[in-house]
Amino acid sequence: EVQLLESGGGFIQPGGSLRLSCVASGFTFRAHGMSWVRQAPGKGLEWVSGISGSGTNTYYADSVKGRFTISRDNSKNTLYVQMNSLRAEDTAVYYCAKANSPAVAGPFDYWGQGTLVTVSS
Amino acid sequence: EIVMTQSPATLSVSPGERATLSCRASQSVSSNLAWYQQKPGQAPRLLIYGTSTRATGIPARFSGSGSGTEFTLTISSLQSEDFAVYYCQQYNNWPLTFGQGTKVEIK
Repeated sequence: EVQLLESGGGFIQPGGSLRLSCVASGFTFRAHGMSWVRQAPGKGLEWVSGISGSGTNTYYADSVKGRFTISRDNSKNTLYVQMNSLRAEDTAVYYCAKANSPAVAGPFDYWGQGTLVTVSS
Repeated sequence: EIVMTQSPATLSVSPGERATLSCRASQSVSSNLAWYQQKPGQAPRLLIYGTSTRATGIPARFSGSGSGTEFTLTISSLQSEDFAVYYCQQYNNWPLTFGQGTKVEIK
Protein backbone atom coordinates (compact mmCIF):
# COMPACT_ATOMS: atom_id res chain seq x y z
CA GLU A 1 0.00 0.00 0.00
CA VAL A 2 1.34 3.38 -1.03
CA GLN A 3 1.68 5.83 1.85
CA LEU A 4 2.94 9.38 1.96
CA LEU A 5 3.36 10.97 5.38
CA GLU A 6 4.16 14.65 5.63
CA SER A 7 5.57 16.39 8.69
CA GLY A 8 7.22 19.64 9.67
CA GLY A 9 4.33 22.06 9.41
CA GLY A 10 3.56 24.60 12.08
CA PHE A 11 3.26 28.24 12.99
CA ILE A 12 6.04 30.53 11.81
CA GLN A 13 6.56 34.28 11.67
CA PRO A 14 6.98 36.10 8.36
CA GLY A 15 10.55 35.89 7.14
CA GLY A 16 11.12 32.62 8.92
CA SER A 17 12.13 29.21 7.59
CA LEU A 18 10.62 25.76 7.76
CA ARG A 19 11.49 22.37 6.30
CA LEU A 20 8.76 19.92 5.39
CA SER A 21 9.38 16.21 5.00
CA CYS A 22 7.41 13.46 3.31
CA VAL A 23 8.23 9.83 4.03
CA ALA A 24 7.11 7.45 1.30
CA SER A 25 6.44 3.73 1.42
CA GLY A 26 4.80 1.03 -0.66
CA PHE A 27 6.46 1.83 -3.98
CA THR A 28 9.90 2.24 -5.54
CA PHE A 29 10.51 5.81 -4.46
CA ARG A 30 13.47 6.53 -6.76
CA ALA A 31 11.42 5.57 -9.80
CA HIS A 32 8.89 8.35 -9.44
CA GLY A 33 8.81 12.09 -9.72
CA MET A 34 7.44 13.84 -6.67
CA SER A 35 5.87 17.21 -6.08
CA TRP A 36 4.61 19.53 -3.38
CA VAL A 37 1.15 20.97 -3.90
CA ARG A 38 -0.42 23.47 -1.53
CA GLN A 39 -3.90 24.65 -0.72
CA ALA A 40 -4.55 27.92 1.09
CA PRO A 41 -7.52 27.89 3.48
CA GLY A 42 -10.75 27.72 1.49
CA LYS A 43 -8.90 27.96 -1.83
CA GLY A 44 -7.92 25.73 -4.69
CA LEU A 45 -4.84 23.66 -5.41
CA GLU A 46 -1.52 25.24 -6.35
CA TRP A 47 1.45 23.22 -7.57
CA VAL A 48 4.58 24.44 -5.76
CA SER A 49 7.57 22.37 -6.81
CA GLY A 50 8.58 19.07 -8.36
CA ILE A 51 11.63 16.84 -8.56
CA SER A 52 12.58 13.95 -10.80
CA GLY A 53 13.14 10.45 -9.47
CA SER A 54 16.92 10.82 -9.49
CA GLY A 55 16.74 14.29 -8.00
CA THR A 56 18.57 15.76 -10.97
CA ASN A 57 15.75 17.93 -12.26
CA THR A 58 13.80 20.37 -10.12
CA TYR A 59 11.00 22.77 -10.99
CA TYR A 60 9.32 25.60 -9.12
CA ALA A 61 6.29 27.82 -9.34
CA ASP A 62 7.18 31.47 -9.82
CA SER A 63 5.56 32.27 -6.48
CA VAL A 64 8.22 30.30 -4.58
CA LYS A 65 11.23 30.40 -6.90
CA GLY A 66 14.32 31.56 -5.05
CA ARG A 67 12.72 30.95 -1.64
CA PHE A 68 11.87 27.23 -1.65
CA THR A 69 14.22 24.34 -2.40
CA ILE A 70 12.97 20.85 -3.12
CA SER A 71 15.18 17.81 -2.56
CA ARG A 72 14.96 14.10 -1.94
CA ASP A 73 16.94 11.36 -0.23
CA ASN A 74 16.24 8.14 -2.08
CA SER A 75 18.11 6.12 0.53
CA LYS A 76 15.56 7.29 3.09
CA ASN A 77 12.51 7.37 0.78
CA THR A 78 11.99 10.95 1.82
CA LEU A 79 11.03 14.13 0.00
CA TYR A 80 11.81 17.55 1.42
CA VAL A 81 11.08 21.18 0.80
CA GLN A 82 13.09 23.89 2.49
CA MET A 83 11.00 27.03 2.74
CA ASN A 84 12.78 30.32 3.44
CA SER A 85 11.63 33.93 3.62
CA LEU A 86 8.12 32.78 4.36
CA ARG A 87 5.22 35.14 3.71
CA ALA A 88 1.65 35.27 4.90
CA GLU A 89 0.54 34.11 1.45
CA ASP A 90 2.48 30.87 1.94
CA THR A 91 -0.06 29.84 4.58
CA ALA A 92 -1.57 26.60 3.34
CA VAL A 93 -1.86 22.88 3.72
CA TYR A 94 1.12 21.38 1.93
CA TYR A 95 0.61 18.05 0.22
CA CYS A 96 3.27 15.67 -0.96
CA ALA A 97 2.18 14.02 -4.23
CA LYS A 98 3.56 11.11 -6.24
CA ALA A 99 3.68 11.24 -10.03
CA ASN A 100 2.48 8.09 -11.75
CA SER A 101 5.65 7.97 -13.85
CA PRO A 102 9.38 8.66 -13.56
CA ALA A 103 8.72 12.05 -15.06
CA VAL A 104 8.13 14.91 -12.71
CA ALA A 105 5.25 16.18 -14.78
CA GLY A 106 2.95 13.27 -14.45
CA PRO A 107 -0.51 13.15 -12.93
CA PHE A 108 -0.46 12.63 -9.18
CA ASP A 109 -1.83 9.22 -8.32
CA TYR A 110 -1.17 9.34 -4.59
CA TRP A 111 -1.26 12.21 -2.11
CA GLY A 112 -0.34 12.54 1.52
CA GLN A 113 -2.81 13.90 4.05
CA GLY A 114 -1.05 17.24 4.18
CA THR A 115 0.70 19.36 6.77
CA LEU A 116 -0.47 22.86 7.69
CA VAL A 117 1.91 25.79 7.51
CA THR A 118 0.71 29.03 9.07
CA VAL A 119 2.75 32.18 8.52
CA SER A 120 1.67 34.99 10.79
CA SER A 121 3.02 37.55 13.19
CA GLU B 1 1.87 29.86 -17.63
CA ILE B 2 -1.12 27.89 -18.88
CA VAL B 3 -4.32 29.08 -17.25
CA MET B 4 -6.95 26.41 -16.61
CA THR B 5 -10.52 27.68 -16.39
CA GLN B 6 -13.27 25.46 -15.04
CA SER B 7 -16.98 25.95 -15.45
CA PRO B 8 -19.35 26.21 -13.82
CA ALA B 9 -18.00 27.21 -10.41
CA THR B 10 -20.89 25.37 -8.76
CA LEU B 11 -23.11 22.67 -10.22
CA SER B 12 -26.32 21.69 -8.46
CA VAL B 13 -27.39 18.18 -9.38
CA SER B 14 -29.89 15.67 -8.03
CA PRO B 15 -28.70 12.16 -7.15
CA GLY B 16 -28.97 9.88 -10.17
CA GLU B 17 -28.62 12.74 -12.63
CA ARG B 18 -25.78 13.34 -15.04
CA ALA B 19 -23.13 15.97 -14.31
CA THR B 20 -20.93 17.58 -16.94
CA LEU B 21 -17.92 19.64 -15.85
CA SER B 22 -15.81 21.69 -18.24
CA CYS B 23 -12.16 22.69 -18.24
CA ARG B 24 -10.53 25.00 -20.75
CA ALA B 25 -6.80 25.57 -21.18
CA SER B 26 -5.35 28.89 -22.37
CA GLN B 27 -3.20 26.95 -24.84
CA SER B 28 -2.98 23.37 -25.98
CA VAL B 29 -2.01 20.79 -23.36
CA SER B 30 -2.31 17.89 -25.81
CA SER B 31 -3.91 15.03 -23.87
CA ASN B 32 -1.97 15.74 -20.68
CA LEU B 33 -4.98 16.55 -18.58
CA ALA B 34 -6.04 15.05 -15.26
CA TRP B 35 -9.11 15.34 -13.05
CA TYR B 36 -9.14 15.11 -9.25
CA GLN B 37 -11.91 14.85 -6.68
CA GLN B 38 -11.56 16.46 -3.26
CA LYS B 39 -13.89 16.10 -0.31
CA PRO B 40 -13.77 18.37 2.74
CA GLY B 41 -10.81 17.66 4.99
CA GLN B 42 -9.34 15.14 2.57
CA ALA B 43 -6.50 15.09 0.09
CA PRO B 44 -7.36 15.15 -3.61
CA ARG B 45 -7.90 11.83 -5.36
CA LEU B 46 -6.91 11.16 -8.96
CA LEU B 47 -9.91 10.25 -11.09
CA ILE B 48 -8.82 10.60 -14.71
CA TYR B 49 -5.47 11.09 -16.44
CA GLY B 50 -4.40 11.32 -20.06
CA THR B 51 -7.75 13.05 -20.64
CA SER B 52 -9.78 9.84 -20.56
CA THR B 53 -8.04 7.04 -18.63
CA ARG B 54 -9.66 6.20 -15.33
CA ALA B 55 -7.27 5.80 -12.42
CA THR B 56 -7.17 2.56 -10.46
CA GLY B 57 -10.41 1.84 -8.63
CA ILE B 58 -12.39 4.69 -10.17
CA PRO B 59 -15.96 3.68 -11.09
CA ALA B 60 -17.03 3.58 -14.72
CA ARG B 61 -19.59 6.33 -14.15
CA PHE B 62 -16.67 8.78 -14.33
CA SER B 63 -15.46 9.54 -17.84
CA GLY B 64 -13.24 12.15 -19.42
CA SER B 65 -13.03 13.51 -22.94
CA GLY B 66 -11.54 16.30 -25.00
CA SER B 67 -8.20 17.34 -26.44
CA GLY B 68 -6.06 20.40 -26.95
CA THR B 69 -7.79 23.11 -24.98
CA GLU B 70 -11.29 21.81 -24.21
CA PHE B 71 -11.95 19.00 -21.77
CA THR B 72 -14.96 17.48 -20.05
CA LEU B 73 -15.51 15.30 -17.01
CA THR B 74 -18.82 13.48 -17.01
CA ILE B 75 -20.38 11.70 -14.08
CA SER B 76 -23.13 9.60 -15.61
CA SER B 77 -25.32 9.06 -12.56
CA LEU B 78 -24.39 10.97 -9.45
CA GLN B 79 -24.09 8.99 -6.24
CA SER B 80 -24.13 10.55 -2.78
CA GLU B 81 -20.38 10.06 -2.45
CA ASP B 82 -19.73 12.07 -5.61
CA PHE B 83 -20.68 15.43 -4.13
CA ALA B 84 -17.32 17.13 -3.84
CA VAL B 85 -15.02 19.64 -5.53
CA TYR B 86 -13.43 18.64 -8.82
CA TYR B 87 -10.19 20.06 -10.21
CA CYS B 88 -8.61 19.72 -13.61
CA GLN B 89 -4.83 19.89 -13.98
CA GLN B 90 -2.53 20.17 -16.97
CA TYR B 91 0.85 18.44 -16.86
CA ASN B 92 2.01 19.32 -20.36
CA ASN B 93 3.97 22.48 -19.51
CA TRP B 94 5.81 24.03 -16.58
CA PRO B 95 4.55 25.23 -14.26
CA LEU B 96 1.92 22.58 -13.71
CA THR B 97 -1.41 24.30 -13.19
CA PHE B 98 -4.81 23.49 -11.76
CA GLY B 99 -8.21 24.90 -12.52
CA GLN B 100 -9.99 26.77 -9.76
CA GLY B 101 -12.40 23.90 -9.14
CA THR B 102 -16.06 23.04 -9.67
CA LYS B 103 -18.16 22.27 -6.63
CA VAL B 104 -20.81 19.63 -7.27
CA GLU B 105 -23.57 20.05 -4.72
CA ILE B 106 -26.84 18.35 -4.01
CA LYS B 107 -29.83 20.00 -5.66
